Amino acid sequence: GENVEQHPSTLSVQEGDSAVIKCTYSDSASNYFPWYKQELGKGPQLIIDIRSNVGEKKDQRIAVTLNKTAKHFSLHITETQPEDSAVYFCAATWPGQGNLIFGKGTKLSVKP
Amino acid sequence: DGGITQSPKYLFRKEGQNVTLSCEQNLNHDAMYWYRQDPGQGLRLIYYSQIVNDFQKGDIAEGYSVSREKKESFPLTVTSAQKNPTAFYLCASSMEGWAPQHFGDGTRLSIL
Repeated sequence: GENVEQHPSTLSVQEGDSAVIKCTYSDSASNYFPWYKQELGKGPQLIIDIRSNVGEKKDQRIAVTLNKTAKHFSLHITETQPEDSAVYFCAATWPGQGNLIFGKGTKLSVKP
Repeated sequence: DGGITQSPKYLFRKEGQNVTLSCEQNLNHDAMYWYRQDPGQGLRLIYYSQIVNDFQKGDIAEGYSVSREKKESFPLTVTSAQKNPTAFYLCASSMEGWAPQHFGDGTRLSIL
């Protein structure tokens, strides 16, 4: 079955710097890749997603890139702010999988 | 305002007791999910349901039970057979198994 590896598990950056979180997946059939942000004591919220027919998607300071050949996708956050501090999860799936397969999460800390 | 409601936010269980966590959604989603979250463990799938009156075991179903009698509701029972029930439980829903999932804000279960 599908397996998703996420790195790093923790990431600390200075405010204004960029942050990159990388995920690799094992099942080449996967074609949908969402990213979630989870703040303390809350449920995860979808922040951006990408389907396998595109290589990159951007939404203001957040972007996701997908390399289908290498089976990895990455979250890029530019001009980080303290409110970006949270745990970020990547996931992968494909029609017929029935559910999302999540990475183990990355705790991002943005220092003012 | 559409969304997912989990209740209660905090729950305490005595040894040997069964407890039921509530999850209700008004998003008209077909699929619903239960996850368990432990520190540093990410999201682990307990059960999921893609349609009313049908559900499948996830990766850690032992000691848990669910029902899906209505499209809007997917309650999770933590039975006395679950020896380590202390965790943060998250419910989610989606249009289909591979579509974006929307999460509730979780129930934190503790043992007295």
